[in-house]
Amino acid sequence: KNEVEQSPQNLTAQEGEFITINCSYSVGISALHWLQQHPGGGIVSLFMLSSGKKKHGRLIATINIQEKHSSLHITASHPRDSAVYICAVGNTGTASKLTFGTGTRLQVTL
Amino acid sequence: EPEVTQTPSHQVTQMGQEVILRCVPISNHLYFYWYRQILGQKVEFLVSFYNNEISEKSEIFDDQFSVERPDGSNFTLKIRSTKLEDSAMYFCASSQAPRVAQYFGPGTRLTVL
Repeated sequence: KNEVEQSPQNLTAQEGEFITINCSYSVGISALHWLQQHPGGGIVSLFMLSSGKKKHGRLIATINIQEKHSSLHITASHPRDSAVYICAVGNTGTASKLTFGTGTRLQVTL
Repeated sequence: EPEVTQTPSHQVTQMGQEVILRCVPISNHLYFYWYRQILGQKVEFLVSFYNNEISEKSEIFDDQFSVERPDGSNFTLKIRSTKLEDSAMYFCASSQAPRVAQYFGPGTRLTVL
C-alpha cells in the first residue's frame, strides 16, 4: 500500500512569493499527479508526470523517482492561486487506481 | 473545452434509501472513475470502469455500491442502502487511457440523514 505524504499541510504566502509544496510516497509508482481543489470543492488536474520536470505557466512540477519525491512550485504567486493542492500517485501494477495525499492548503494574501 | 458533468450537485437522503449519482464523462474518454471525499479527509478511490466492466475497486466499494454505464453517455454510481457514513462529496472522473491525466467533475455532495 502506498503512503502519500505532503508538506506543509498549510501554507500562507504573500503575493509574489515563490512557493514549494512537497510530496513523498513510499512505494514505486507509474505516475504522479498534482491536482488543485478549489474552495467550492471542484478538482482540476494540473500535471501528470513520471519523470523529470513539467512546466505550465507559473507552475512547475518535478519528480525524483529514486528519492520517491515530487515538488510543485508556484512562481510569482497570486491570490487566485489560493486552493488546496493535492498529490496523487498511480501505483505500479494497477491501471488506474490513485492514492491521494491529504493536500496542502495554500492561502496567498495581497 | 469539454468537461465532465455531474448531477445532482447536492443530494439529501434518508438513511437506508437508495441513491443514484450521475456523471457524463468527456465524450471520447474510455475510462471512468468514482472517488469520494469525506468532509475534512483525503480523496479516496472507489472504482474504475472500462469496456463496460469494473477494472479496479477499493475495499470501500462493497456490495452496497454498483456502477453502470446505462447508455453511451452516462456513468452512474448507485448506493443501495445509504448509511450515515456515506455522507461525502463524490467525484466522477474520466480519461482517454489508463495512466494519463484524469478529468474530474464538479462533484455531488451527498448528505445522509
